[in-house]
Amino acid sequence: AQSVTQLGSHVSVSEGALVLLRCNYSSSVPPYLFWYVQYPNQGLQLLLKYTTGATLVKGINGFEAEFKKSETSFHLTKPSAHMSDAAEYFCAVTPNDYKLSFGAGTTVTVRA
Amino acid sequence: DAGITQSPRYKITETGRQVTLMCHQTWSHSYMFWYRQDLGHGLRLIYYSAAADITDKGEVPDGYVVSRSKTENFPLTLESATRSQTSVYFCASSLAGSSYNEQFFGPGTRLTVL
Repeated sequence: AQSVTQLGSHVSVSEGALVLLRCNYSSSVPPYLFWYVQYPNQGLQLLLKYTTGATLVKGINGFEAEFKKSETSFHLTKPSAHMSDAAEYFCAVTPNDYKLSFGAGTTVTVRA
Repeated sequence: DAGITQSPRYKITETGRQVTLMCHQTWSHSYMFWYRQDLGHGLRLIYYSAAADITDKGEVPDGYVVSRSKTENFPLTLESATRSQTSVYFCASSLAGSSYNEQFFGPGTRLTVL
């Protein structure tokens, strides 16, 4: 079985500051990992995914995440926050099948 | 318009009533999914379908029924709604079953059971 833990249900950052969202997973097999973003009153949109290969993955809107097997982590970062980054972010894992297990989500607030 | 749509977007019903949430996708994706989103739980899989007439249970299937007679439609029915089923429901689709393929999500249906 696999599970996802997102550390911190709410993160507040200043505009222009680093955004760091933490995700740790447990999986019995090498996982595939995803970050999704949800804007208010919308569905989820894929930010980036790790399947195989390079452990540093770049996504849309300037986000990137690094897969660290030894730490079972897949933290999401963005060097400089923008007001438009205010949203809820979900980390998800799958053991190479179609079923995704989601974390509880982290809400990001950006201060002007 | 192309994409994945859900209807209704908002629904208020009473305990014991039957409710059907609709999901329609125009991509001819083989896989479709129903999730519920609750505070503190993220998204949890209710049911999924690999193709027309093929469905299977997810993590939280109790109290829900699905069908898939056509590839593009995947309705979710609450046969006798309960207050614990108050939630936001998301439908998603994927081109194939492999995790290499992104799941595309609809805009959600906010259901309130009184």
